[in-house]
Amino acid sequence: GAVVSQHPSWVICKSGTSVKIECRSLDFQATTMFWYRQFPKQSLMLMATSNEGSKATYEQGVEKDKFLINHASLTLSTLTVTSAHPEDSSFYICSSGGAGEASSYNEQFFGPGTRLTVL
Amino acid sequence: GDSVTQMEGPVTLSEEAFLTINCTYTATGYPSLFWYVQYPGEGLQLLLKATKADDKGSNKGFEATYRKETTSFHLEKGSVQVSDSAVYFCALRRGGGADGLTFGKGTHLIIQP
Repeated sequence: GAVVSQHPSWVICKSGTSVKIECRSLDFQATTMFWYRQFPKQSLMLMATSNEGSKATYEQGVEKDKFLINHASLTLSTLTVTSAHPEDSSFYICSSGGAGEASSYNEQFFGPGTRLTVL
Repeated sequence: GDSVTQMEGPVTLSEEAFLTINCTYTATGYPSLFWYVQYPGEGLQLLLKATKADDKGSNKGFEATYRKETTSFHLEKGSVQVSDSAVYFCALRRGGGADGLTFGKGTHLIIQP
């Protein structure tokens, strides 16, 4: 199956700083990528949908100015948590829909996640 | 809005036992339904899916049938192995590949030898 990587796998930062998380599709091109957030013992919550070359679509209740998403190429999407606070501490997971014959629009491929801890 | 409810764990079984993890959903229209599995330290992997009522998804001995009348998609396996220990997520997607997924909370399955 297709591989999606995330970097970093975990990060600790001070309150007020910004953190960038990268999501890459390694062996296929993804026109659409999704960002999810997971709290301990909770389900994954969709935060936003990013499409290559256009603005991301945010779910209700997600602050677009706080969670900046850039999808500048078919293999890379980034999530920047701006002015992070302890309540932003969470597990962030990206997934990528496929493009072209090598991928199926019925399946999303997930990255391993990034654990963010804001002190 | 859409929602998925699944039994919470942990669920602990002995090897070769029969497994059922219940999943029910609430959604408008005709969503596609999925089971994902997450092994320790890895990303979610698609286990099986069903896109319309009465479809049965199956993979690696796991099965789930899309039951529209009961809005359910229960996961079953006849004989579990230690290697099946993982967290299982039930999910739905209302539209096509350009739509995100709505997940249940996940069920931690522990299989003892």
